[in-house]
Amino acid sequence: QVQLKESGPGLVQPSQTLSLTCTVSGFSLTSNSVHWVRQPPGKGLEWVGAIWSGGSTDYNSALKSRLSISRDTSKSQVFLKMNSLQTEDTAIYFCTKFSYWYFDFWGPGTMVTVSS
Amino acid sequence: DIQMTQSPASLSASLEEIVTITCQASQDIGNYLSWYQQKPGKSPQLLIHSATSLADGVPSRFSGSRSGTQYSLKINRLQVEDTGIYYCLQHYSAPYTFGAGTKLELK
Repeated sequence: QVQLKESGPGLVQPSQTLSLTCTVSGFSLTSNSVHWVRQPPGKGLEWVGAIWSGGSTDYNSALKSRLSISRDTSKSQVFLKMNSLQTEDTAIYFCTKFSYWYFDFWGPGTMVTVSS
Repeated sequence: DIQMTQSPASLSASLEEIVTITCQASQDIGNYLSWYQQKPGKSPQLLIHSATSLADGVPSRFSGSRSGTQYSLKINRLQVEDTGIYYCLQHYSAPYTFGAGTKLELK
């Protein structure tokens, strides 16, 4: 069955780089896009970016200069890297599979706290 | 970027009441609009896709509609389990954008 699972450091120091991994199963990264969505504590959902089935990427305009999304199809993993982290980047980070018309499967999310 | 203006921000309604949440797109997005429900501590769950299509397993009291660039989510006969936060999402073009969310509580 389709599953996604985020993993990452939990705590990142300000100005440092965040690296997250989304490990997927039950579907192919070369046939489906995977997106990252984040949610600051007590706030709404924010679309972060995506890697499409062909390997191209799109990013949130406000995060574009700090963000990179890549993948390893042989390991069924999608990676998010965001540099120059600030306290405002503290959030739950979700990865989610997009099925042409909607996000159909989500990971449970991973909490990232930016703090010294 | 396409902006999605969602209203109201919060809503308190009684059991069996009819509830409507709206999202206004800043430009034409066709039917590239979906609705999600999020419960505390959980990932969002799909309710409606393609503006008006009910997702599998979602109760029929949920429905979606479109009038131009305004999209609505309607809940007929509100139930206890319908409390949570509701979001619209446009996926007409990247960057995708969510509405700010509507927190639905029982009165």
